[in-house]
Amino acid sequence: SQQGEEDPQALSIQEGENATMNCSYKTSINNLQWYRQNSGRGLVHLILIRSNEREKHSGRLRVTLDTSKKSSSLLITASRAADTASYFCAAALYGGGSEKLVFGKGMKLTVNP
Amino acid sequence: ETGVTQTPRHLVMGMTNKKSLKCEQHLGHNAMYWYKQSAKKPLELMFVYSLEERVENNSVPSRFSPECPNSSHLFLHLHTLQPEDSALYLCASSQDGQGGNEKLFFGSGTQLSVL
Repeated sequence: SQQGEEDPQALSIQEGENATMNCSYKTSINNLQWYRQNSGRGLVHLILIRSNEREKHSGRLRVTLDTSKKSSSLLITASRAADTASYFCAAALYGGGSEKLVFGKGMKLTVNP
Repeated sequence: ETGVTQTPRHLVMGMTNKKSLKCEQHLGHNAMYWYKQSAKKPLELMFVYSLEERVENNSVPSRFSPECPNSSHLFLHLHTLQPEDSALYLCASSQDGQGGNEKLFFGSGTQLSVL
């Protein structure tokens, strides 16, 4: 079954505003990762947060993880038109003797200039 | 550039054709992956190779045949595909193939259309 599920599925904001994307998952995880994908390109890793961490920052990105609610959020502050992309969460879970990274369907962010 | 190069970028093939997708990574990683990305679906992991050995095969139909001749190169051989196989095929690499504990580096993908 799908682990990461992003919400909302699409978000349109104005440049300079903050964008918040949420991810929910169903079972215990070892870590959770966020990726971005520009149209027609591959995914680019943004940030990894481990199950024992609650918050992590990288530049204009802030990721939180709430293991009790099985959810994570990605906040992009002071958004730019160049932030327009699809964003994916990916949950790392252990099963069947190996650890796997399971991606959500993605969330499309449009930042209007 | 992510250090992972995929060719071709676009491919159109008939259902009776045989073609191959190529992936090369210049990062010195030990693990390589094939993913399938279809519209409005989660990314699907197809194959994982670690140190040139296949360690994961997620019930992929036999019309997809992977090959990993060395740790820098990965191929996906395609034959007698179906229209529903049309998708973006992404190659990725990671340092040690430790599943979810590592970040993945993706290529730009091959957009495949099966007619």
